[in-house]
Amino acid sequence: AQSVSQHNHHVILSEAASLELGCNYSYGGTVNLFWYVQYPGQHLQLLLKYFSGDPLVKGIKGFEAEFIKSKFSFNLRKPSVQWSDTAEYFCAVNRRSGGSYIPTFGRGTSLIVHP
Amino acid sequence: KAGVTQTPRYLIKTRGQQVTLSCSPISGHRSVSWYQQTPGQGLQFLFEYFSETQRNKGNFPGRFSGRQFSNSRSEMNVSTLELGDSALYLCASSQGQGSPYEQYFGPGTRLTVT
Repeated sequence: AQSVSQHNHHVILSEAASLELGCNYSYGGTVNLFWYVQYPGQHLQLLLKYFSGDPLVKGIKGFEAEFIKSKFSFNLRKPSVQWSDTAEYFCAVNRRSGGSYIPTFGRGTSLIVHP
Repeated sequence: KAGVTQTPRYLIKTRGQQVTLSCSPISGHRSVSWYQQTPGQGLQFLFEYFSETQRNKGNFPGRFSGRQFSNSRSEMNVSTLELGDSALYLCASSQGQGSPYEQYFGPGTRLTVT
């Protein structure tokens, strides 16, 4: 079945450590890629997105993600995490279906950053 | 600008009942999407409405339905509730339909079916 996989369900880091969260999808056609974040007690919000062009995209709060088409991956990275990055992170793929897009989310990665 | 609002925030129903959830999008947004979030399945897309018409639909049974009004407000209805329908239901609005428009999520309605 077509899906979005986030390999790390729980990640625990210390402040200043580097972060990489994996995301793979299984759709072969046209896709748009997203990372969303949900901070404790807050709504889901967009972190960054990729539609076309430069496969390295930069988002808010120092996050970036790289689209590697050959690997069907869109991994999220941050060189130095902060305690305030503690949150749930969701990768999402919009795949083209007819004249519209169908969104599919990964199951999320819970990140805890220790001060 | 006010964000996406959802009412009610919490709801407890019994099996076999039906429920209606409401979503008010950000002013000026014409697209409303609904998602079901559970610990086991994550976020799953239910459907999207744009200009009062359902544009996309996820893989959910016909017990799940929705509609959108001329002011872009949307309602979601679940009939003949089952225990497995217990979940957080999220609404998201955007200016246009689907990609590339950014979605803005509401706080969700927590539905518990007993």
